[in-house]
Amino acid sequence: KQEVTQIPAALSVPEGENLVLNCSFTDSAIYNLQWFRQDPGKGLTSLLLIQSSQREQTSGRLNASLDKSSGRSTLYIAASQPGDSATYLCAVRHYSNSGYALNFGKGTSLLVTP
Amino acid sequence: DVKVTQSSRYLVKRTGEKVFLECVQDMDHENMFWYRQDPGLGLRLIYFSYDVKMKEKGDIPEGYSVSREKKERFSLILESASTNQTSMYLCASGDGLYGYTFGSGTRLTVV
Repeated sequence: KQEVTQIPAALSVPEGENLVLNCSFTDSAIYNLQWFRQDPGKGLTSLLLIQSSQREQTSGRLNASLDKSSGRSTLYIAASQPGDSATYLCAVRHYSNSGYALNFGKGTSLLVTP
Repeated sequence: DVKVTQSSRYLVKRTGEKVFLECVQDMDHENMFWYRQDPGLGLRLIYFSYDVKMKEKGDIPEGYSVSREKKERFSLILESASTNQTSMYLCASGDGLYGYTFGSGTRLTVV
């Protein structure tokens, strides 16, 4: 069974810092990996999608990398801002006995202080 | 932009009631999913569907059923609501090429 782990579970940084969130998965036979952001009490907002054949994707201050062979992905946030405070979730799409599934980590709760 | 709409943001139901949670997507996606999210447990897959009238059990299907009569609509049904089904319910649709889009969630409280 695919297991997705996110470290750290919580992170607090001062505004302006660059930071890295980590995601690891146990089965490297994935189709893609997607990073989401979730604000308290809200749904998930997609940030970046990396296909299994890609090594990284960038959107503004966000950069996500994927190393499928080692089962790892990182989300890099440059010049963090208080508005970046949220929970960040990674999810891997893979094939299971029931077909295609999307497995989530438990998230990293980020607080950026002014 | 893909839009996934969940019919209710907040619901309060009584134990034993039959509860319907509705989800509608506007991008003709074949794949739709229902998750529940609980503190400390993360998102857990309840059911998913590849196409109209098709459904597959996820990790925690007990106490739930689903219906997909039209491609754009995927309903989650709690046959007899119980207090341990109090949770945030999230619907998603999408495909492998463009990823998945989530609705804004339904916070269900069963009393």
